[in-house]
Amino acid sequence: EPEVTQTPSHQVTQMGQEVILRCVPISNHLYFYWYRQILGQKVEFLVSFYNNEISEKSEIFDDQFSVERPDGSNFTLKIRSTKLEDSAMYFCASSKGQIPSTDTQYFGPGTRLTVL
Amino acid sequence: AQKITQTQPGMFVQEKEAVTLDCTYDTSDPSYGLFWYKQPSSGEMIFLIYQGSYDQQNATEGRYSLNFQKARKSANLVISASQLGDSAMYFCAMREGPYNTDKLIFGTGTRLQVFP
Repeated sequence: EPEVTQTPSHQVTQMGQEVILRCVPISNHLYFYWYRQILGQKVEFLVSFYNNEISEKSEIFDDQFSVERPDGSNFTLKIRSTKLEDSAMYFCASSKGQIPSTDTQYFGPGTRLTVL
Repeated sequence: AQKITQTQPGMFVQEKEAVTLDCTYDTSDPSYGLFWYKQPSSGEMIFLIYQGSYDQQNATEGRYSLNFQKARKSANLVISASQLGDSAMYFCAMREGPYNTDKLIFGTGTRLQVFP
């Protein structure tokens, strides 16, 4: 069964460094998302992406964050200058994009980002 | 006001028994979708079941069923014949609006522990 994949599974970085989190969505999916989950808290929406542009972003997704689909398969989240509070599990998700929709967002296994 | 409320931080159930995990939601949009995800200790988010606001029947997927009470704005997950492998965090989520691109809003989760 096709699945969303994410690399790396765990990333440790120093405060102020740039990180790129990578995702390969399910191949026939058209909509892509990033969410994050700070340890012990609920999952929070960051950004959605369709047709090579951002559809919606949350207030968390400030100028330090960017997303890109550099080729036909990868979807990346870049954090330009990491802060301690960026430490979290980052989930990529994708969905087919059918309307009317019983569409489901399928999540990847997550990347645990630790900022020291 | 919270969009998704899960009032049970933790639940215990004996193996082979049924358990209900509560979820209430708040929206004024007539079109919405409700989802349940399972998060085992390994961290990934696994889709379990979906209920659309216009669906006439309660959703079922194997041992999972969703007790959808629209007037009460509740979407409780029922797990029948619990198994030890069901021990995990369970998140209720909502998507507002008719378009699948809309973000998921998550509750704070319920930790379910199944004991022999």
